[in-house]
Amino acid sequence: DAKTTQPNSMESNEEEPVHLPCNHSTISGTDYIHWYRQLPSQGPEYVIHGLTSNVNNRMASLAIAEDRKSSTLILHRATLRDAAVYYCILRAVYGGATNKLIFGTGTLLAVQP
Amino acid sequence: DTGVSQDPRHKITKRGQNVTFRCDPISEHNRLYWYRQTLGQGPEFLTYFQNEAQLEKSRLLSNRFSAERPKGSFSTLEIQRTEQGDSAMYLCASSQMIYEQYFGPGTRLTVT
Repeated sequence: DAKTTQPNSMESNEEEPVHLPCNHSTISGTDYIHWYRQLPSQGPEYVIHGLTSNVNNRMASLAIAEDRKSSTLILHRATLRDAAVYYCILRAVYGGATNKLIFGTGTLLAVQP
Repeated sequence: DTGVSQDPRHKITKRGQNVTFRCDPISEHNRLYWYRQTLGQGPEFLTYFQNEAQLEKSRLLSNRFSAERPKGSFSTLEIQRTEQGDSAMYLCASSQMIYEQYFGPGTRLTVT
């Protein structure tokens, strides 16, 4: 399984944008880029996913580099409730794939008021 | 839609005892996953069901662990002869589509 590299921790101020980077230089053509987050004392929560094009949803935006070797999760206006561990995960999507998630240690985002 | 539920939320047991955890997925989801998470680490995949069939088991799932999903609805994870190293958060997730997994709140196991 292709591996991802994320900073251990980041800090942001409330109501400012946050850019969370992820490197995945060994990504293959069948790998989708997924982001999950885990708030304190909760199970992980799906945030967004993409393959090649940038993606937006109500929670965040995902910017994918042209060579797909890196991506950035963008929270447009951080709130205190966004303080969590953010995981960048590659998942192969093809017929017969288990679609299990392989988590790293993620990025712990702290949001200051 | 009440989300994925897990029971119990916390379990304290003595080494050598057997424990069983239950997961109720979102009702229309045919895929169900179990993960384990220790402090400071991301969740680790344990096993996967599609309907009632267990299609993949991690090498982490020793022969003391068994999981079932009768009738493709709820699932149970049993650990026999618990060891202190089994202390962790056990997470269940379900999905319908192949992209998004919905996680429950987890069962925290402490083996004393």
